[in-house]
Amino acid sequence: EPEVTQTPSHQVTQMGQEVILRCVPISNHLYFYWYRQILGQKVEFLVSFYNNEISEKSEIFDDQFSVERPDGSNFTLKIRSTKLEDSAMYFCASSGVPGLAGEETQYFGPGTRLLVL
Amino acid sequence: AQKITQTQPGMFVQEKEAVTLDCTYDTSDQSYGLFWYKQPSSGEMIFLIYQGSYDEQNATEGRYSLNFQKARKSANLVISASQLGDSAMYFCAMRASGAGSYQLTFGKGTKLSVIP
Repeated sequence: EPEVTQTPSHQVTQMGQEVILRCVPISNHLYFYWYRQILGQKVEFLVSFYNNEISEKSEIFDDQFSVERPDGSNFTLKIRSTKLEDSAMYFCASSGVPGLAGEETQYFGPGTRLLVL
Repeated sequence: AQKITQTQPGMFVQEKEAVTLDCTYDTSDQSYGLFWYKQPSSGEMIFLIYQGSYDEQNATEGRYSLNFQKARKSANLVISASQLGDSAMYFCAMRASGAGSYQLTFGKGTKLSVIP
């Protein structure tokens, strides 16, 4: 069964460093998302991406964050200068067409656990 | 703005018994989708079940069913014949279609513990 994959599974970085989190969405999906979950808290939306551009972003997704689809399969989240409060689990998700029954389910990857020291 | 409320921080259920996890939602949209995800201690988010706002029948997927009461704005998850492997966090989420928004809004989750 197709699945979303993410690398790395864990990343430890120093405050101020840049990190790139990578995702391979399900191959026939068109919509891609990043969410984060701070330890013990609920899952929060960061950004959605469709047709090679951001379709929606949350207040969390400030200028330190960027997303890219560098090729036909990968989808990346870059944090330019990490802060302590960026420590969280980051989930990539993908879906078919939102609003279309049977296609709109967002399937999540296993997550990247980011720790900023 | 959309909001999901899960009022049960933790639940216990005896193995082989059924359990209901509560979820209420708030939206002004007419078209929306409701989802349940399972998060085991390993951390991944596993999709369980989906209900569209226009679906007249309650969704079912194996041992999972969604008790959808539109007038009450509730979408409770029912797990039948609980198994030890069902012990996990369970999140209710909603996708609302207002202004082209496709993001999922999550509740705070319910931690389910299955007792042997």
